[in-house]
Amino acid sequence: EVQLVESGGGLVKPGGSLRLSCAASGFTFSSYSMNWVRQAPGKGLEWVSSISSSSSYIYYADSVKGRFTISRDNAKNSLYLQMNSLRAEDTAVYYCARLGSVTGHAFDIWGQGTMVTVSS
Amino acid sequence: QSALTQPASVSGSPGQSITISCTGTSSDVGGYNYVSWYQQHPGKAPKLMIYEVSNRPSGVSNRFSGSKSGNTASLTISGLQAEDEADYYCSSYTSSSTPWVFGGGTKLTVL
Repeated sequence: EVQLVESGGGLVKPGGSLRLSCAASGFTFSSYSMNWVRQAPGKGLEWVSSISSSSSYIYYADSVKGRFTISRDNAKNSLYLQMNSLRAEDTAVYYCARLGSVTGHAFDIWGQGTMVTVSS
Repeated sequence: QSALTQPASVSGSPGQSITISCTGTSSDVGGYNYVSWYQQHPGKAPKLMIYEVSNRPSGVSNRFSGSKSGNTASLTISGLQAEDEADYYCSSYTSSSTPWVFGGGTKLTVL
């Protein structure tokens, strides 16, 4: 079964750091670009960051640029998001999502999400 | 990069058809055939329903269809069913430095 499982969310104080992980299974992880998408409580989806299959291309939303770092370990079938200098507005459910091959520029597989709460 | 514009809510009765619009610019929706649509039930992860404007992934009902005209994309759901009640989001590839943008979301209520 194709699956993405996020972990690492939790409560952190403003200015703090957190590292999210996403474990992939059921497909050849190293062949796909991967993304982080977040959703603040009661709000819509916001694309956060993307990394190509070999880590050659990395992109960030303006809202997280300079604070968040996306990375991957293809040997471990894992995607990461290092979040530093966290702010209250970073509070959200963070989803990892696969950029499909057949589906072009669409996110075809999503994890269940991990909640990040930034509060003092 | 501004979010794509969707109506906040739409509603319809069982068996009817509804259409949700998604308006962007020539830098995103109008410039590429990379518009996708996602369904999200409360507390659940989004699910891909339409990709590349009008293509359905395997397993998605043919009651769901997509189209595009100029800078506006549309999702049509025909033969509304109670299970279709959910939030729907459009997304597009963009030519900006942030390659993907989502719409603000539309809440579909099945009356």
